[in-house]
Amino acid sequence: SAVISQKPSRDICQRGTSLTIQCQVDSQVTMMFWYRQQPGQSLTLIATANQGSEATYESGFVIDKFPISRPNLTFSTLTVSNMSPEDSSIYLCSVVWALNTEAFFGQGTRLTVV
Amino acid sequence: SQQGEEDPQALSIQEGENATMNCSYKTSINNLQWYRQNSGRGLVHLILIRSNEREKHSGRLRVTLDTSKKSSSLLITASRAADTASYFCAFTGGGNKLTFGTGTQLKVEL
Repeated sequence: SAVISQKPSRDICQRGTSLTIQCQVDSQVTMMFWYRQQPGQSLTLIATANQGSEATYESGFVIDKFPISRPNLTFSTLTVSNMSPEDSSIYLCSVVWALNTEAFFGQGTRLTVV
Repeated sequence: SQQGEEDPQALSIQEGENATMNCSYKTSINNLQWYRQNSGRGLVHLILIRSNEREKHSGRLRVTLDTSKKSSSLLITASRAADTASYFCAFTGGGNKLTFGTGTQLKVEL
């Protein structure tokens, strides 16, 4: 199976700063997604990362706060901007190779904002 | 909220026993997937069942799907201490966006 590498694995950041999380897949994928898991909670979809165009955001998430890039079929970044303690979460990228098939996840980025 | 509901929220069993967790949802689905998460790390994909399937097996795992009741169950047989983790169901409607259930925390004791 393909390898999904997510960096950094964890970080502690000051409020008001921004962090960019990278997701690299070792083969081309059709779809890439970003999810957030708040402490003790389940996962919530932030956005679909579209190759070569603007990401598609879910209700409650906006581009100014979570800008996403996907320059090619194997790489995407998620930036968490102007962070506050409420942004402390695990952020996970997910990839899907074909419609109606399994979604696979990176190891996640555990973000703590102080 | 269209989030799936899982029960129980937490389950504690002895090694060798079976563990069953249930997932309910409210919308029409294309498929339903089960994942395991160890200590807040990444998700490990366990099994996918499509809306036209009723049961699937993978090793010690058995998943059922009842679309008339909008529910699914995950059975882990002969559990081991290494099965201790959080388990999530997740389902897709149109497209491949996943909506997750609330999760079940399983603890398997020696």
